[in-house]
Amino acid sequence: GAVVSQHPSWVICKSGTSVKIECRSLDFQATTMFWYRQFPKQSLMLMATSNEGSKATYEQGVEKDKFLINHASLTLSTLTVTSAHPEDSSFYICSARDRTGPYTGELFFGEGSRLTVL
Amino acid sequence: GNSVTQMEGPVTLSEEAFLTINCTYTATGYPSLFWYVQYPGEGLQLLLKATKADDKGSNKGFEATYRKETTSFHLEKGSVQVSDSAVYFCALISNTGFQKLVFGTGTRLLVSP
Repeated sequence: GAVVSQHPSWVICKSGTSVKIECRSLDFQATTMFWYRQFPKQSLMLMATSNEGSKATYEQGVEKDKFLINHASLTLSTLTVTSAHPEDSSFYICSARDRTGPYTGELFFGEGSRLTVL
Repeated sequence: GNSVTQMEGPVTLSEEAFLTINCTYTATGYPSLFWYVQYPGEGLQLLLKATKADDKGSNKGFEATYRKETTSFHLEKGSVQVSDSAVYFCALISNTGFQKLVFGTGTRLLVSP
């Protein structure tokens, strides 16, 4: 099946610094990628939808200036957590939709990136 | 709006027991329904799916039937294994409007030998 890779898988940073997380589709082209945040013992919360070559669409309540999303190519989207604070500590997961073939609704997920802000 | 409701966990079973994880949904139109599984330390993987009423999705011994009359998509397995221990997410995607995947809260399954 299609593979989506996230990097880094975990990162620890100091409060006030910025952290970039990459999401790559390795064997397919993804016009649309999604960024989720997963809290302990809770479901995935959709943060934003990233379309290649255009601005991301953020869900209500998600600060676009805090969580910068860039989707510069059909295989790469990045999430930058700016001026991170301890409350931003979470598990961030990206997913991608394969642009080729019939649309089945299936998304392919990265392994997730655990961010810990000290 | 669209939503998915799952039974709360954790579900604790002995090996070879029968598993049911309930999932009901609310959606406009005719959504596609999915079960995703998240093994410890890993990302989500698609387990099975159904795209229309009365369809049955199946994979790795797991099954779920799309029941439109009861708006349900319960996950079942006849005989669980320790390796099935994971978090299971029910999800839907609408066939109308902008198609975003909506997840339930997840149900943790713990299988003991």
